[in-house]
Amino acid sequence: EVQLVESGGGLVQPGGSLRLSCAASGFTFSSYAMSWVRQTPGKGLDWVSAISDSGHSTHYGDSVKGRFTISRDNSKNTLYLQMNSLRAEDTALYYCAKEQDSYDGFDVWGQGTMVTVSS
Amino acid sequence: EILLTQSPATLSLSPGERATLSCRASQSVSSYLAWYQQKPGQAPRLLIYAASNRATGIPARFSGSGSGTDFTLTISSLEPEDFALYYCQQRSNWPLTFGGGTKVEIK
Repeated sequence: EVQLVESGGGLVQPGGSLRLSCAASGFTFSSYAMSWVRQTPGKGLDWVSAISDSGHSTHYGDSVKGRFTISRDNSKNTLYLQMNSLRAEDTALYYCAKEQDSYDGFDVWGQGTMVTVSS
Repeated sequence: EILLTQSPATLSLSPGERATLSCRASQSVSSYLAWYQQKPGQAPRLLIYAASNRATGIPARFSGSGSGTDFTLTISSLEPEDFALYYCQQRSNWPLTFGGGTKVEIK
């Protein structure tokens, strides 16, 4: 079964750091680009970051550029999101998502991990 | 950044009716547009990619059309399980962006 399982969320103070992980199974992880997408409770979807299959190419949304870093370990089938200088507006449910072969849609999503930034 | 505007925000329809959802881009995205469905407490699900291609396992009652700046998701005859939130996403330029969503609710 193709599966993505996020972990690492929690409560953190403004200015703090957190690292999210996404464990992949059921497919050849190293062959697919991956993304992080977040959703504020009751609000819409916000794409955060993407990484190529090899990890050599990364992209970020404007609101997280310079603060968040996406990475992957293909030997461990795991995607990461290092989040620094966290702000209240980063509070959201964070999903990892797998790209299709043709890079034109996220065909597999995890269940999400909640990040709350509050003092 | 490409902005996507979805309309209407809410669509109130009865089962069996036809649903027409719109997504308009602030600049051309060619056919690099996807549609997702999201139900409460669940992750989004890919419905349509490249503007008009149904994803694996998506029923034929879902169809997508459009190119450039104007796109439409059509549900030909609403089933009870189709009442949900729908989002469009452009995949033409970085950063990727989503529309604000259309809620299809039972009338």
